[in-house]
Amino acid sequence: GAGVSQSPRYKVAKRGQDVALRCDPISGHVSLFWYQQALGQGPEFLTYFQNEAQLDKSGLPSDRFFAERPEGSVSTLKIQRTQQEDSAVYLCASSPRDKNYGYTFGSGTRLTVV
Amino acid sequence: TQLLEQSPQFLSIQEGENLTVYCNSSSVFSSLQWYRQEPGEGPVLLVTVVTGGEVKKLKRLTFQFGDARKDSSLHITAAQPGDTGLYLCAGVTVGDYKLSFGAGTTVTVRA
Repeated sequence: GAGVSQSPRYKVAKRGQDVALRCDPISGHVSLFWYQQALGQGPEFLTYFQNEAQLDKSGLPSDRFFAERPEGSVSTLKIQRTQQEDSAVYLCASSPRDKNYGYTFGSGTRLTVV
Repeated sequence: TQLLEQSPQFLSIQEGENLTVYCNSSSVFSSLQWYRQEPGEGPVLLVTVVTGGEVKKLKRLTFQFGDARKDSSLHITAAQPGDTGLYLCAGVTVGDYKLSFGAGTTVTVRA
C-alpha cells in the first residue's frame, strides 16, 4: 500500500480484556517497529522486526505484551489482561532498509483501558 | 532519563515570527531525524541528517546537526499557522538501529 496502515484506529477495552492491534507496513519494507506514545510525550520503543525475525523486544513493558510478524509483512501487537497503564497510542513504523533511512509511521491505534 | 532532551517544551508565537527548537544529548548519533506530528496522526519525517555540521533546508525550515553529532536544531523562518504541531527529534546512536525520541516541542503559531 501507499502508507503504513494500522487498525483499529481506536480501541476501548475493559480492564483484563485481551486486545490485538494490527499493522500493515509498506510493501517490501524490511524493518518494522512498534512504539508506544503516552499523551504529550515522544514515542517509546517497544519492539523491532527484520522481516519475520523479532530481533529486539527489550522495550516491551511486561510479559503481557507480545508481537509477531509471521510472514514478514503484517504485524500484530497483542496485549493480554489489559491494565489502565496500557492506555496510550501504539504506533507502527516501517523502513525499507537500515537505521539511516527515515521511518514511515502509521496513524496509530489509540487504546483506552477502562 | 531521556536520551534526547528537547527545548523548549512549548512554544507559542505570532505568525511571521521566527522560532528555534533544540535537541541535545550526551550520546553520539549516527543519524538524527526530525518529525512533525499532528493530533491523531503518526509522526511525519521532515529530514534526516547524518554528517556532523550538516545543514539542510526545507523551504522555511533549517536543520542543523552539531559537529560532534550530539545535538541538533530546527529553525523556522516566518512561521505560519500551518507550522503548528508537535516537533520531535529522534536519533539512532552509534552501533544501534532503533530510533530514540525526544519528548517533543509543541509549537503553536497564532494567526
